[in-house]
Amino acid sequence: SQKIEQNSEALNIQEGKTATLTCNYTNYSPAYLQWYRQDPGRGPVFLLLIRENEKEKRKERLKVTFDTTLKQSLFHITASQPADSATYLCALVDDSWGKFQFGAGTQVVVTP
Amino acid sequence: DADVTQTPRNRITKTGKRIMLECSQTKGHDRMYWYRQDPGLGLRLIYYSFDVKDINKGEISDGYSVSRQAQAKFSLSLESAIPNQTALYFCATSDSTDRVYEQYFGPGTRLTVT
Repeated sequence: SQKIEQNSEALNIQEGKTATLTCNYTNYSPAYLQWYRQDPGRGPVFLLLIRENEKEKRKERLKVTFDTTLKQSLFHITASQPADSATYLCALVDDSWGKFQFGAGTQVVVTP
Repeated sequence: DADVTQTPRNRITKTGKRIMLECSQTKGHDRMYWYRQDPGLGLRLIYYSFDVKDINKGEISDGYSVSRQAQAKFSLSLESAIPNQTALYFCATSDSTDRVYEQYFGPGTRLTVT
């Protein structure tokens, strides 16, 4: 069956450092992979999309890589700030049916 | 005003009761989705609708039904609520012409079934 794995343990990081999150998947060939941010008690908010033919995508302090051979995406927050503390979800998108499958998310805690 | 609204925001109900969760959007999107979120399990798709006449089951549709009353409204019903349906429920929308496939989520409804 299709499976998406994100680190279940919270990532604690010091302000200014780079946070790196992992999204692994099996039995799936997504056309796209997205990353969302979710704050406590709120709905997820879209951050980035990366396509299967793209190796890397950047947006401000965020960088995402997508390796379809390894079936893995890495999400980096550079120069992290306490305001970056949140849970980050990856989502796989199948273009043929427009459905999304989400990972459980990884919590990031940035301390001053 | 919020683009995607959900009512109620919190609901406590008893086992066996019928309950409806409502979602409205002002984004003009054609696609709407219902998810539930449980700790450690992430978001799981319950139902999705690509337009008013196109409604499809997601991965966990048993015990749920939906109605797309208009392009802007998508309701989720629990016909006979049970305790394991206690969860955080999210409605989301997307635009089929958006090549970034961005989903816009509502604020969520926290449902407790006792």
